[in-house]
Amino acid sequence: EAAVTQSPRNKVAVTGGKVTLSCNQTNNHNNMYWYRQDTGHGLRLIHYSYGAGSTEKGDIPDGYKASRPSQENFSLILELATPSQTSVYFCASGAGTGGERLFFGHGTKLSVL
Amino acid sequence: QQKVQQSPESLIVPEGGMASLNCTSSDRNVDYFWWYRQHSGKSPKMLMSIFSNGEKEEGRFTVHLNKASLHTSLHIRDSQPSDSALYLCAASDYNQGKLIFGQGTKLSIKP
Repeated sequence: EAAVTQSPRNKVAVTGGKVTLSCNQTNNHNNMYWYRQDTGHGLRLIHYSYGAGSTEKGDIPDGYKASRPSQENFSLILELATPSQTSVYFCASGAGTGGERLFFGHGTKLSVL
Repeated sequence: QQKVQQSPESLIVPEGGMASLNCTSSDRNVDYFWWYRQHSGKSPKMLMSIFSNGEKEEGRFTVHLNKASLHTSLHIRDSQPSDSALYLCAASDYNQGKLIFGQGTKLSIKP
């Protein structure tokens, strides 16, 4: 099965601090995604990428930046973390066709105090 | 309002019973529907996909799709305790590919 690895698995940050969540996939998938999951909201799309050097805004991009320096790596950056960004973040990759199946990482639990 | 709406929010089904979950998209551009299952503390994993009108069966799981109403449903027969999980419906369109998820249905199977 496709391998998507996220780091760190848990992170505690202070309000106003900078946080970087990393994601690596070894499947040579074109598309990568960052979602956050909160109770009652399912998975909400933050940013996504169609390939190295590209990033696109999802449905809730405010307060987040993304970076795709290579096919394998996709980062989510919180420049000024706020308590409302406390959540579980999932990275996913997909082959890049319209009917693509997504493969998810194990998630990163972020707490902003 | 989320573009993908699921109902019910939660569902309790006795072991061996039938579970029925619903999902509707308000975006008329969608072409594909997906069902993902997420056990507690784990990541979502694809369960089934459906792209054409009609029905698709895989073991105890059956998915229906009505493209005119943009409604899909997932039915689990002979429910087992291991089916207890959060079920997430997602929709995507061919051009963009990105998946938009609903809020999920929490299914509990009671022994």
